[in-house]
Amino acid sequence: RKEVEQDPGPFNVPEGATVAFNCTYSNSASQSFFWYRQDCRKEPKLLMSVYSSGNEDGRFTAQLNRASQYISLLIRDSKLSDSATYLCVVSSGGGADGLTFGKGTHLIIQP
Amino acid sequence: GAGVSQSPSNKVTEKGKDVELRCDPISGHTALYWYRQSLGQGLEFLIYFQGNSAPDKSGLPSDRFSAERTGGSVSTLTIQRTQQEDSAVYLCASSLDRGMNEQFFGPGTRLTVL
Repeated sequence: RKEVEQDPGPFNVPEGATVAFNCTYSNSASQSFFWYRQDCRKEPKLLMSVYSSGNEDGRFTAQLNRASQYISLLIRDSKLSDSATYLCVVSSGGGADGLTFGKGTHLIIQP
Repeated sequence: GAGVSQSPSNKVTEKGKDVELRCDPISGHTALYWYRQSLGQGLEFLIYFQGNSAPDKSGLPSDRFSAERTGGSVSTLTIQRTQQEDSAVYLCASSLDRGMNEQFFGPGTRLTVL
């Protein structure tokens, strides 16, 4: 089983819609969770950290379910500029060997 | 302040040649990471530095790959006797400390081996 799994998509979503995708992780000792965003032919950039209580940043909401070992990202009122690949990142706090990137979910917002 | 910088941005080389890729992390960041990303693929971890030491070299795909970091700052990734399968974008990232901190990525070096 892969350490961090994501549906690669693509998710084709009309502008203004709400979209959500999940990421599952296999290491129950994982301590920190992040969503990164990567635009085409660009480097990944941190979108938001994911806290145990869930957190919201504008149109973006991230949630963690430790019992089921998944994290989710919800995007409301999607914009064309949200089109990107969203990478799920899980850390067990032990250095680079504890920081694992998922392969990403490709999101396309259509006008 | 300045972000992570990498050079060159693009490198085209012939099979069998050696290449050297450079990464300048954000000043004060003690942790430095190298990743590789092939077209349409996820990030592949290569090596991690804490200061000048590399406690985790597990991701280096073969002994043709090596990396060093001097002065706790600049790092170079060297690929000897390049092969076509080495073609990829090589990304460097740095963070304040290891593990749970945000990693800031450089723009990458696109390596093409002919």
